[in-house]
Amino acid sequence: SQQGEEDPQALSIQEGENATMNCSYKTSINNLQWYRQNSGRGLVHLILIRSNEREKHSGRLRVTLDTSKKSSSLLITASRAADTASYFCATDGGGGGNKLTFGTGTQLKVEL
Amino acid sequence: NAGVTQTPKFQVLKTGQSMTLQCAQDMNHEYMSWYRQDPGMGLRLIHYSVGAGITDQGEVPNGYNVSRSTTEDFPLRLLSAAPSQTSVYFCASSFRQGAEAFFGQGTRLTVV
Repeated sequence: SQQGEEDPQALSIQEGENATMNCSYKTSINNLQWYRQNSGRGLVHLILIRSNEREKHSGRLRVTLDTSKKSSSLLITASRAADTASYFCATDGGGGGNKLTFGTGTQLKVEL
Repeated sequence: NAGVTQTPKFQVLKTGQSMTLQCAQDMNHEYMSWYRQDPGMGLRLIHYSVGAGITDQGEVPNGYNVSRSTTEDFPLRLLSAAPSQTSVYFCASSFRQGAEAFFGQGTRLTVV
């Protein structure tokens, strides 16, 4: 079963605007990760936030984690056309094997 | 470094045929996994391995076999292909539990 649900399913913004996407999950986690997938390509790791962290930054990315609400958000600031992709959250619930449970993804389109 | 390499990139099978999807990584990662991605869904875990000689089932293992004879290779075998196995398959590897996963470019499989 899918662990995460992402919201919105699709998002269209203008270049320079900020993009925010949200992820909710169901069970306890060790960490939550965000991945980007360009059309027809593999997934690329963006950022990882551990269960004892509340906020993390990497370049134009800001991730928050609220374990009490079982939710996370990814903010991309000053979006560029090259940010057009699908974004997935993935949770690591522990238990060995580095098994990731993925959300359904948000399709982001950044228009010029 | 090539990272995670998957072959073939595309494959069409007839129902009942068998085939092996190849996955190799050159990062000396102990953890490797296979996922499938279907439209409108996130990735779902098929099988995973925590080291040579050790494999286990994920969320959707039926119809698939794996083996891990070396650290580098983790092939996925379809025993008797069914149309329900039409999907995009991704192999991933990671250094340890709780670390980021590195993904291959995927194999797009169609079963007719």
